[in-house]
Amino acid sequence: SQTIHQWPATLVQPVGSPLSLECTVEGTSNPNLYWYRQAAGRGLQLLFYSVGIGQISSEVPQNLSASRPQDRQFILSSKKLLLSDSSFYLCACTDPGKDEQFFGPGTRLTVL
Amino acid sequence: AQSVTQLGSHVSVSEGALVLLRCNYSSSVPPYLFWYVQYPNQGLQLLLKYTTGATLVKGINGFEAEFKKSETSFHLTKPSAHMSDAAEYFCAVTLWEGGKLIFGQGTELSVKP
Repeated sequence: SQTIHQWPATLVQPVGSPLSLECTVEGTSNPNLYWYRQAAGRGLQLLFYSVGIGQISSEVPQNLSASRPQDRQFILSSKKLLLSDSSFYLCACTDPGKDEQFFGPGTRLTVL
Repeated sequence: AQSVTQLGSHVSVSEGALVLLRCNYSSSVPPYLFWYVQYPNQGLQLLLKYTTGATLVKGINGFEAEFKKSETSFHLTKPSAHMSDAAEYFCAVTLWEGGKLIFGQGTELSVKP
């Protein structure tokens, strides 16, 4: 079964600094990959999804971007963080043609 | 477009009592439905899912849910709550295998001793 790694687990960054969160997946090939954001007390908001290397779809306009340089690597980035970017970020994957989505342990980002 | 509504952002039950977490969905075609559980500062774990076939589905940790098309509901139940069930629960829907999940806002379950 799949294993999803996310790092760092926690991160504190100043406003205006860049961001790079990494997600890697083991135990599968050619997965669909997802980035979600979960603000305190709120549900999950889908930010980006990818069906293959270099293929990224954005769900909401924002100052974040995503890239997929390798089949099982998904990166969430920002050039300049905002206070409102403070959140819990989750990476998830699905095997093509399968219905179950697996989640990573998440990254807690605090922007000060 | 599909959507998910979870009634009640917070539910509190006593240990040993029935757990009932409500989920209603909106979909133009038969959906795939999921319940996930999230413990503090962790990712989500799948509890159970409905895709096709039997409308009563059983999941991990003694939870089950029933798909009721006429009521567009997929409520989660457990006969007897344990302290370890305290967590946040999310209902989700998708229209096809591997499709994007649409999540409800979540229900935080508290279990009192």
